[in-house]
Amino acid sequence: NAGVTQTPKFRILKIGQSMTLQCTQDMNHNYMYWYRQDPGMGLKLIYYSVGAGITDKGEVPNGYNVSRSTTEDFPLRLELAAPSQTSVYFCASTRVSSYEQYFGPGTRLTVT
Amino acid sequence: AQKVTQAQTEISVVEKEDVTLDCVYETRDTTYYLFWYKQPPSGELVFLIRRNSFDEQNEISGRYSWNFQKSTSSFNFTITASQVVDSAVYFCALSEAGRAETSGSRLTFGEGTQLTVNP
Repeated sequence: NAGVTQTPKFRILKIGQSMTLQCTQDMNHNYMYWYRQDPGMGLKLIYYSVGAGITDKGEVPNGYNVSRSTTEDFPLRLELAAPSQTSVYFCASTRVSSYEQYFGPGTRLTVT
Repeated sequence: AQKVTQAQTEISVVEKEDVTLDCVYETRDTTYYLFWYKQPPSGELVFLIRRNSFDEQNEISGRYSWNFQKSTSSFNFTITASQVVDSAVYFCALSEAGRAETSGSRLTFGEGTQLTVNP
């Protein structure tokens, strides 16, 4: 199993541009999450999904959108990128019962 | 609302010293899970341990040990005989299990403790 994969690993965006961060898991996990980690800080939840077709906001959802059309994929969309969105983005997934979250390697995004 | 506090922002020790990382949490739920994750300089997040709120037994895994005390809402992590490879940021996290079906078992992270082990 590849676990949780994220693409791209790095990206530089200009202010106002848009992009989609990809996240795929091959563990058949129902629950998936997007977190952001600002420099020197802990992770904050952006959006999460409890299953295909179901998403909900986390702690810091402004400026982002998500969709969950399949169990495997949970893309994160940034519209009109702003410097405040410069961060490392982590995708994670978990089974319903175990609660241990498996994290992807992260995407380092810089908005200038 | 749930909250995790890691008061130690940075800790620096010399190799072979023991070091304890503190974690204090707040939750209204009676059923919850506590976690520790390690983030080495390479940036990935490595799961270390999960503990549920009904199991207050301390746990030891090699040089790592965890002390869970509900009375003080603490879940502290000790590394015995630290090594340079232990240098990393360590995160404590909390998941409220009571609303797992709707809240998705989401984790609330502390701010992390940067541990530096010097040779």
